[in-house]
Parts: sequence; C-alpha cells; structure tokens
Amino acid sequence: EVLLLESGGGLVPQGGSLRLSCAASGFSFSRYPMTWVRQGPGKGLEWVSGISGDGSSTFYADSVEGRFTISRDNYKNVLYLQMNSLRAEDAAVYYCAKETRYGSSTTDWLDPWGQGTLVTVSS
Amino acid sequence: SYELTQPPSVSVSPGQTASITCSGDGLGDKYVGWYQQRPGQSPVLVIYQDDKRPSGIPERFSGSNSGNTATLTISGTQPLDESHYFCQAWDTSTVIFGGGTKLTVL
Repeated sequence: EVLLLESGGGLVPQGGSLRLSCAASGFSFSRYPMTWVRQGPGKGLEWVSGISGDGSSTFYADSVEGRFTISRDNYKNVLYLQMNSLRAEDAAVYYCAKETRYGSSTTDWLDPWGQGTLVTVSS
Repeated sequence: SYELTQPPSVSVSPGQTASITCSGDGLGDKYVGWYQQRPGQSPVLVIYQDDKRPSGIPERFSGSNSGNTATLTISGTQPLDESHYFCQAWDTSTVIFGGGTKLTVL
C-alpha cells in the first residue's frame, strides 16, 4: 500500500522559515515525480511545486518561486519543501502527492495524497 | 496563465444525475482529471485522462472532455457523494486546478 505521511507543519512568524517532510512507503520512490499542493482555509487546491524522480528537475508556482525549495532524498524515501520568507497567504494545509501514470496514459495524475500538514503564519 | 473555471456549487437529488463542468480555453486539447474531497479529508482521484476511472472508483463516476469544457458526471448520486470536486489539467510542467465545486445531495 502506498503511504505518504507529511510532517513539519506548525506556527511560524511572518518572514520565518519552515521545512516540511513527506515520508513515502509502499512504492519505488525514486521512480516517481512528486508534488506539493496546498489548500488555504476554506479555499481550493493550489499547486505549489513538483520534482522529478531523480531530483534533477524542479518546478514552482509563481507565488512561491524564489522562496520555496523542493528536494528529495531517494535513499531515505523522503520529499521536502523548504519554505522561507513566509507570508500570511502561505498559511494552508500542505499535501504531498505521488505523480502516477496509469496504463497507456501519457500524463501524470496526483494519486495518492498524504493527509496533509498545517502551516500557520502569524503576523 | 492558464485557468480552469468551475461553478461554485451544484445541487442534486439522491438517485439523480449530477453534472459538474470545468471550462478552459481549448481544454479539449488537454487531458483532465477530477478529484473528490470529502470534508476534512485529502483529495482522491476519481477520473483521469478525461474519462478513465482508477481502481476502486464506482462506475457511477464518468467524465468527458470536448471543446472548451470537461464534465464530471455522477449517475445515481448517493448521499456519500456530497463533496467538493476539483478538475485538474497540466499546462506545460505546472498543475492547474479549477476552483472547485461543492456538490450538495438533497
């Protein structure tokens, strides 16, 4: 069974930093791209960042480019999100998700998702 | 940047068919996925590549995509289908989500 377990969320002051982790199990972690998605309180889903299986390619939403860094440790099977210069609008539940390609599909889909970790930014 | 638009809410009676739309410029030229998010839970993929169901997703969930609109259809809607639904597509190497639709079964 594929399991994703996020951790590292908490209360942080504006301008502060936080590192989120996502521990993966039940699949060959290094073979799959991974993604971070966030959801503000009462809001929709917002894609944050993605990383290739070997970690050589990374992608960011404009809203976090230059402040957040995605990385992975394929020996420990852990995905990370380093968040710096946090703003009030970064407050959200952060989910990690495995990018899965089904059958003959040429497109990746986010499946499954972890349970999320809550980041609160204080003013 | 590419945008996907969903109606904020849709209502359906139990046993009836619910349709949730997702619109975007030339969306029919992209593949669309749909996620269900029950209150307090993480999103779950219910449709991928426009019209395919992952293992374990009931047959009453189906999808289509043509022109500028993708549609998630739930046939014989059940009370447990009351959730938020989000459409998703890729734009180059970034993931785009629709704003989400709250499906109310009443």
